[in-house]
Amino acid sequence: DAKTTQPNSMESNEEEPVHLPCNHSTISGTDYIHWYRQLPSQGPEYVIHGLTSNVNNRMASLAIAEDRKSSTLILHRATLRDAAVYYCILKNSGGSNYKLTFGKGTLLTVNP
Amino acid sequence: GAVVSQHPSRVICKSGTSVKIECRSLDFQATTMFWYRQFPKQSLMLMATSNEGSKATYEQGVEKDKFLINHASLTLSTLTVTSAHPEDSSFYICSAAFGTAGSPLHFGNGTRLTVT
Repeated sequence: DAKTTQPNSMESNEEEPVHLPCNHSTISGTDYIHWYRQLPSQGPEYVIHGLTSNVNNRMASLAIAEDRKSSTLILHRATLRDAAVYYCILKNSGGSNYKLTFGKGTLLTVNP
Repeated sequence: GAVVSQHPSRVICKSGTSVKIECRSLDFQATTMFWYRQFPKQSLMLMATSNEGSKATYEQGVEKDKFLINHASLTLSTLTVTSAHPEDSSFYICSAAFGTAGSPLHFGNGTRLTVT
């Protein structure tokens, strides 16, 4: 599986935007970029995913570099409930491999 | 949206007993389900891939006779931890896939297993 690199931790203040970076220099043409987050003592929650174009949904925005070797998850206004571990994962769309392999993720702390 | 229900959320058992954890996809048919294990302050580790109607595929280092997986229908997969020991105490999480391989996975809320 192509690997991703994320900072171990980041800090933000409530109601400010947060930009969570992810590097994936070995991404292949059929890899989707997925983001999940995990709140304490809960299962991961899907946040957003994309292939080439930037994506927006009610939770966040995903900005994908033109060469696709990096991406940024954007939380427009962080709340205390956004404090979680955020995982950036590449998911291959070829064949029937649905597997997700988790890295260490970024622990986001949101200060009141 | 798609929902995955995992039960129980928390279980305490004695060493040597077996524990069964259920994972249900509530509003979709999941052709593939995954079981993960997570130790404190660590990331999720994939244990096995469960395919409906066939044998599960286990990741390297995961004992298939200890962690029995049954995926008898398109909406239910079970993980049985047999002859549990304290070192099996962990957070077990299931997830379910539907749609194309590039589609998101949906996760249960996890089961906290404590073996005394």
